[in-house]
Amino acid sequence: DAGVTQSPTHLIKTRGQQVTLRCSPKSGHDTVSWYQQALGQGPQFIFQYYEEEERQRGNFPDRFSGHQFPNYSSELNVNALLLGDSALYLCASSLASSHLTETQYFGPGTRLLVL
Amino acid sequence: QKEVEQNSGPLSVPEGAIASLNCTYSDRGSQSFFWYRQYSGKSPELIMSIYSNGDKEDGRFTAQLNKASQYVSLLIRDSQPSDSATYLCAVNEGGATNKLIFGTGTLLAVQP
Repeated sequence: DAGVTQSPTHLIKTRGQQVTLRCSPKSGHDTVSWYQQALGQGPQFIFQYYEEEERQRGNFPDRFSGHQFPNYSSELNVNALLLGDSALYLCASSLASSHLTETQYFGPGTRLLVL
Repeated sequence: QKEVEQNSGPLSVPEGAIASLNCTYSDRGSQSFFWYRQYSGKSPELIMSIYSNGDKEDGRFTAQLNKASQYVSLLIRDSQPSDSATYLCAVNEGGATNKLIFGTGTLLAVQP
């Protein structure tokens, strides 16, 4: 049973560039959430995708955008990169339901360094 | 602003001792609570989930929830050096999604 996968594992970009990160959810899961984790901090919620729609968004600027494909995989795009965007980007997958107890499982993350 | 608070540590315990990690949260409406373990440079790994008041045990781990006092704790019995990691407390915000709000994590160091 494949877990959550993310690519690439590491990425180095320069300020002003654009980046695309990819995530495939755990088998059987249909919901993907993206988090940003700065050094020494807990993960911060960016947004969540379900049925190819953005369901909820955290306190992140419009430079952060995403997409979910029919096979439930997802992309996170960040435009006009800033030094402060350097972080570990985590994808978490879950199975949507009306119950609030669904568990989120994290992928290995993509470490982004902006120079 | 909904918040989850943890002592950043480091919490240092000798091998074989009980490690006690604590977390408080601000939103009384929260219903789901999670503990994740994160080794340095790795992603968070789910350790425990708890939804009802009281204790939940899984092997050497026990999660405790007190909704009236708005705190969650994690006890690790017979601590091993391999338990040394950052432990993240996460609370489900509720509503239409299961957005998780994380604390900053507590660094646990188990001394051999």
